[in-house]
Amino acid sequence: QSVLTQPPSVSGAPGQRVTISCTGSNSNIGARYGVQWYQQLPGTAPKLLIDGDSNRPSGVPDRFSGSRSGASASLAISGLQAEDEGDYYCQSYDSSLSGSVFGGGTKLTVL
Amino acid sequence: QVQLVQSGAEVKKPGSSVKVSCEASGASFSSCALNWVRQAPGQGLEWMGRFVPVLGLAEYAHNLKGRVTITADKSTTLAYMEVNSLRYEDTALYYCVLQDDVLPAARFVHWGPGTLVTVSS
Repeated sequence: QSVLTQPPSVSGAPGQRVTISCTGSNSNIGARYGVQWYQQLPGTAPKLLIDGDSNRPSGVPDRFSGSRSGASASLAISGLQAEDEGDYYCQSYDSSLSGSVFGGGTKLTVL
Repeated sequence: QVQLVQSGAEVKKPGSSVKVSCEASGASFSSCALNWVRQAPGQGLEWMGRFVPVLGLAEYAHNLKGRVTITADKSTTLAYMEVNSLRYEDTALYYCVLQDDVLPAARFVHWGPGTLVTVSS
């Protein structure tokens, strides 16, 4: 059972927009610790996609955007492309556990 | 450009230990932290712990405390992660991950390729 809760799967057709939610608590996201999102394409290591709730590191397309409200965060992917298919993880810091925590991951399928 | 190079795959028996290394070329050990994250086959990501070289500080996930030791050598920019009393459920891909700040909530910027550890009798 992950500390951060994500839907197991989402899907969308090419060109569409999908969102992935990440629900935490008052000891992590709700405590205003930044939320990061990572993309893991099949057979590869995770890659940082969004940091500090909504910042895109250099090189990340602006089709990817992040937001946070209260103890939840969301990742939105617009203009879906086939190469976006993979797993997406949210991550934050938890003050009760004194460590980083991940969501269980969401598998994105591009139909 | 930071590059993380990890040691090769390991096969270990239950009850034994494994030590995985990670060389962080291009990184400044004075302003970063080295984390270890593992991923069991077909499962999600699990944070194991981290080492902050400039502080000589190690922090561990509660469920692994006592079985995992994470260290780093500032002079060589090498980091190590050792798991003792291996169990079948420790079979996983182990990633070395660099935070570009010493703060515990800093982002995981650079990821190594992963080292597969298989626990098998």
